[in-house]
Amino acid sequence: DAGVTQSPTHLIKTRGQHVTLRCSPISGHKSVSWYQQVLGQGPQFIFQYYEKEERGRGNFPDRFSARQFPNYSSELNVNALLLGDSALYLCASSKDTPPVNTEAFFGQGTRLTVV
Amino acid sequence: AQSVTQPDIHITVSEGASLELRCNYSYGATPYLFWYVQSPGQGLQLLLKYFSGDTLVQGIKGFEAEFKRSQSSFNLRKPSVHWSDAAEYFCAVGTRSNDYKLSFGAGTTVTVRA
Repeated sequence: DAGVTQSPTHLIKTRGQHVTLRCSPISGHKSVSWYQQVLGQGPQFIFQYYEKEERGRGNFPDRFSARQFPNYSSELNVNALLLGDSALYLCASSKDTPPVNTEAFFGQGTRLTVV
Repeated sequence: AQSVTQPDIHITVSEGASLELRCNYSYGATPYLFWYVQSPGQGLQLLLKYFSGDTLVQGIKGFEAEFKRSQSSFNLRKPSVHWSDAAEYFCAVGTRSNDYKLSFGAGTTVTVRA
């Protein structure tokens, strides 16, 4: 079975631009979460979606938005990029709404560099 | 709000020696507890998890962790490390409320010397 897939693997953007990151969960998983991992730190929660509805939002500005599609894949959008948005963006999928009696499986991440 | 502290930023251990990584959490009730490992350029892989029951949890790759409520700790151990265990390790906490996030510690980098 395929694991969590994220695209692209790497990308470089300029300050002020917009970026869209994509995630395909494991087949049968209905929940997708997004995390930001700045170099040298642990992942920070951004969003969680279950059955296409937002279930949780972390302490991130409104420049960050996300959505989940009927096939349970998800997009993370970031507008007006800042240098501080440079990070590894991780997507995690779960069968149910985490962390209740379920575990999150993480993708390889998208490395975003803002210059 | 819950928080996670991993006191050791970097640990160096000899191959074959034992390893213990510390994790302390702050949360008013019994949390869900996880240990993840991250190799360079990779995503996170779950090593083990604690939801309830036996406080000594066995995981993959020979790792185990013990939940100690009185100390608010969930330390990770391995009796004999292999060179392939060199990686970054993250402790994470989830709550039993409608707060669906995992809160991660800052991580501990493990270096294994021959």
